[in-house]
Amino acid sequence: GNSVTQMEGPVTLSEEAFLTINCTYTATGYPSLFWYVQYPGEGLQLLLKATKADDKGSNKGFEATYRKETTSFHLEKGSVQVSDSAVYFCAPPDTGRRALTFGSGTRLQVQP
Amino acid sequence: DAGITQSPRHKVTETGTPVTLRCHQTENHRYMYWYRQDPGHGLRLIHYSYGVKDTDKGEVSDGYSVSRSKTEDFLLTLESATSSQTSVYFCAISEDVYEQYFGPGTRLTVT
Repeated sequence: GNSVTQMEGPVTLSEEAFLTINCTYTATGYPSLFWYVQYPGEGLQLLLKATKADDKGSNKGFEATYRKETTSFHLEKGSVQVSDSAVYFCAPPDTGRRALTFGSGTRLQVQP
Repeated sequence: DAGITQSPRHKVTETGTPVTLRCHQTENHRYMYWYRQDPGHGLRLIHYSYGVKDTDKGEVSDGYSVSRSKTEDFLLTLESATSSQTSVYFCAISEDVYEQYFGPGTRLTVT
């Protein structure tokens, strides 16, 4: 199956700072890629996706570009808010099962 | 929000007892998943289902069994609970595998 590597957290930023959370993956072929977010006390929810190489997914000010050359799908946001404090998961498909592979997640803490 | 509920939301049980967690959906989605979430391990797949009576193992299936006799219900059973199974359990549903909708979670403590 596929595997994913995310940067270790927690990432602590001040409000309005620029955010990058790195994600690299190993995969067979060029599958769709996903970022999920988990707010405190909740289950995960889909944040954005990219369905093919060089595609850019975006939602709520977050963006991620599917780079097949570097097998990366880094998450970025130009100006974070306190409400963005959450755990972010990069999730490529698990081709061995009809499922996604979730990494360990990266906790983001945004301070006012 | 996707119609997905989990019960119970919290449970404390003793080592060696059987425990069943229930996931119920009203979306008629084909796929259903059980995950556990532990500090330092992220989210790990226990079992999943791709249809009624069709299930498969995930990466951490030992000590767990599942059943899906109806589209809307997916049961996770800990046959004999151990302290290592203390965790937060999440159910998820999906129509296409990739866009998954998660339930609110069940916090299980095994003493």
